[in-house]
Amino acid sequence: NAGVTQTPKFQVLKTGQSMTLQCAQDMNHNSMYWYRQDPGMGLRLIYYSASEGTTDKGEVPNGYNVSRLNKREFSLRLESAAPSQTSVYFCASSAKAGGGHEQYFGPGTRLTVT
Amino acid sequence: GQSLEQPSEVTAVEGAIVQINCTYQTSGFYGLSWYQQHDGGAPTFLSYNALDGLEETGRFSSFLSRSDSYGYLLLQELQMKDSASYFCAVILAWRGSSNTGKLIFGQGTTLQVKP
Repeated sequence: NAGVTQTPKFQVLKTGQSMTLQCAQDMNHNSMYWYRQDPGMGLRLIYYSASEGTTDKGEVPNGYNVSRLNKREFSLRLESAAPSQTSVYFCASSAKAGGGHEQYFGPGTRLTVT
Repeated sequence: GQSLEQPSEVTAVEGAIVQINCTYQTSGFYGLSWYQQHDGGAPTFLSYNALDGLEETGRFSSFLSRSDSYGYLLLQELQMKDSASYFCAVILAWRGSSNTGKLIFGQGTTLQVKP
């Protein structure tokens, strides 16, 4: 089992460009999450999907959109990248909604917006 | 608003015991989780408390007092590999009871273990 995989690992964008971060899990988990982590900070929830077909906003959803493509895949889209979106993005999944059931994290995507 | 407070840095020696505290102020509380993150790596789950009291998992224990909005992570028999950042995270409740699925993370405590 690969667990949670994310692509790409690194990305540099110019301001105004768009891109989609991909995430997939092979653990048959119901819930999936997107977080961002800025240097020296904790993780902040961008969006999450409690189950296939549903998505909900987290703490910092502005500037992002998500798609729960199927049970395995949850993508994050930046429509018009801004320097403030420079961060490390982590995808996570859990068997049930919420962190009481362990969340498994992917290796992260390091995004720089110039 | 939501806020979690934990110390920014803690230093201890190999073999010692260290306690990392977390106080929280959130609108709705379902439970408290702890995660470990090594430099440049992905966070990994350590422990979870929904009820008051102590949960023990090997060398790590976690405690919760809901009435005090307070929890801590206790690491025993410290090893060099325990040098990492430790995050407490509150799971938010909806209307006081249901699990919303939303986690609010603290800013993390960097633990340095010295020989």
